[in-house]
Amino acid sequence: DAKTTQPPSMDCAEGRAANLPCNHSTISGNEYVYWYRQIHSQGPQYIIHGLKNNETNEMASLIITEDRKSSTLILPHATLRDTAVYYCIVRVNFGNEKLTFGTGTRLTIIP
Amino acid sequence: GAGVSQTPSNKVTEKGKYVELRCDPISGHTALYWYRQSLGQGPEFLIYFQGTGAADDSGLPNDRFFAVRPEGSVSTLKIQRTERGDSAVYLCASSLGTDYTDTQYFGPGTRLTVL
Repeated sequence: DAKTTQPPSMDCAEGRAANLPCNHSTISGNEYVYWYRQIHSQGPQYIIHGLKNNETNEMASLIITEDRKSSTLILPHATLRDTAVYYCIVRVNFGNEKLTFGTGTRLTIIP
Repeated sequence: GAGVSQTPSNKVTEKGKYVELRCDPISGHTALYWYRQSLGQGPEFLIYFQGTGAADDSGLPNDRFFAVRPEGSVSTLKIQRTERGDSAVYLCASSLGTDYTDTQYFGPGTRLTVL
């Protein structure tokens, strides 16, 4: 699986959009981009995933650049409950079930 | 419905002892995963079951670690002759197992402390 690079930490004001970047410049054509988050003392929680098109669900939006070398997770109206470590993962969807986590971005929502 | 549950939530043991950690996946999920998370790090893959069989055990660090899932539901992670370096949070996840894009749902983890 391709390696990802994320900033170690970010702050965002409550109510504003939180934009979390991820670099995956070595991504292969058959690799998806996944985002998980981990709130303190809990297991990781799935947020969203995509291949090349932008995706949106009730939690977030995922913007993937045209060359697929980077992506941005957008939390449109951040709340204090969004404070967590966010992991960007690239994962080949054939014969490789595991998730390979990096160290993620610690997002702190400021009241 | 019920999520993935793990027992115990905390386990303290002494170096050299044997421990078992249990995972109850979401009902109907055929895929089950074990991960280990050390302080300040992301979770690290240990083993993946599809049904009763271990489809990928490449993440098990050494032969002191073993996992079973005899009936394709509950799984037990077994650690022999524990060492202080085994101290970590052990996470279990499950998924439907029908498609490679299936979402993995994680349990709250078992915090293992080896004194």
